[in-house]
Amino acid sequence: EAQVTQNPRYLITVTGKKLTVTCSQNMNHEYMSWYRQDPGLGLRQIYYSMNVEVTDKGDVPEGYKVSRKEKRNFPLILESPSPNQTSLYFCASHKTGGGYTDTQYFGPGTRLTVL
Amino acid sequence: DQQVKQNSPSLSVQEGRISILNCDYTNSMFDYFLWYKKYPAEGPTFLISISSIKDKNEDGRFTVFLNKSAKHLSLHIVPSQPGDSAVYFCAAEETSGSRLTFGEGTQLTVNP
Repeated sequence: EAQVTQNPRYLITVTGKKLTVTCSQNMNHEYMSWYRQDPGLGLRQIYYSMNVEVTDKGDVPEGYKVSRKEKRNFPLILESPSPNQTSLYFCASHKTGGGYTDTQYFGPGTRLTVL
Repeated sequence: DQQVKQNSPSLSVQEGRISILNCDYTNSMFDYFLWYKKYPAEGPTFLISISSIKDKNEDGRFTVFLNKSAKHLSLHIVPSQPGDSAVYFCAAEETSGSRLTFGEGTQLTVNP
């Protein structure tokens, strides 16, 4: 079954404690992205990756890091989380490069709370 | 600046009637538009899309209309069903990239 998986699904942490949210896809997609969803703001892209070792900033990259060492995995790293990073996070992947992305697949989401 | 806007946070309709969800955009470089549907505790799923060379695309009960001059698109659901109750996101993309810009979302509730 084609899918994007994220772990953990729920996470409560404290300010400054480094954390990683994992993302994995089994569709051999080149493109992967991270989004955050906040009330009234919709989905905003944090980072994206066009292929292994190729990443770029999205609209709200501050406070986040990513890496793409393997095609299937795209972890999101918060080196020093702060309360304003409390949000619902989605990982996504798609196969189209330089064109239209009507086949973008989203993971189930990770609800992060930073106290 | 919000380049894709969905001005209605919520919409409530009766089962069997038409649901119309609206979306406006400001970036004239957007060339492709998509609608995603999201149920609670799930990720968004692709629903329907339209290229800027068209003004209408239909898929079963779902039709998307695009008015480029007004920078406006809408999603029509006819007839609406209770299972359509979800958050609907409008998204747009420039031809040259693979980045989607999303709107704020509209919560649709279809009442039996």
